[in-house]
Amino acid sequence: DAKTTQPTSMDCAEGRAANLPCNHSTISGNEYVYWYRQIHSQGPQYIIHGLKNNETNEMASLIITEDRKSSTLILPHATLRDTAVYYCIVATDSWGKFQFGAGTQVVVTP
Amino acid sequence: EAGVVQSPRYKIIEKKQPVAFWCNPISGHNTLYWYLQNLGQGPELLIRYENEEAVDDSQLPKDRFSAERLKGVDSTLKIQPAELGDSAVYLCASSWTENTEAFFGQGTRLTVV
Repeated sequence: DAKTTQPTSMDCAEGRAANLPCNHSTISGNEYVYWYRQIHSQGPQYIIHGLKNNETNEMASLIITEDRKSSTLILPHATLRDTAVYYCIVATDSWGKFQFGAGTQVVVTP
Repeated sequence: EAGVVQSPRYKIIEKKQPVAFWCNPISGHNTLYWYLQNLGQGPELLIRYENEEAVDDSQLPKDRFSAERLKGVDSTLKIQPAELGDSAVYLCASSWTENTEAFFGQGTRLTVV
């Protein structure tokens, strides 16, 4: 599976949009981009995934560049409860085979 | 809908002692995963079950770790004997199939002293 590169940490003001970048320059044509997050002392939680089109759900939006070498997860109105480690994962549609990296620690401040 | 339930939440044992973790997946989920998460790192897959069959256990240290999923529902992960380096969070997850979203439990934090 392709590897991803994410910033180690980022801060975001409450109520503002949080834009989380992810680079995946070696992504293959059949690989999806998945995002999970992990709030302290909890298990990872699925957020969203996409192949090449932009996706939106009740939690977030996923913007994938046309060449698919990078993507951005957007939390439209960050709240304090969005403070978590966010993982960007690139893999085929076999959930059991993808690899979590270290993720991005996002801290939402009042 | 009840989520993935793990127990215990916390466990402290002395090295060389055995320890077991239990996982009850979401009802109807055929696929069950056990992950290991070290401090400051992302989860790493240990074993994946499809119903009662272990279909991927390549990352499971078989000299001291074992797992079972009787009747394709609940699962247990055992370490015998535990070593200091086994201190970590052990996460269980389940999904309808290998190709659908996985839901995680809260994990068991193991401390080996």
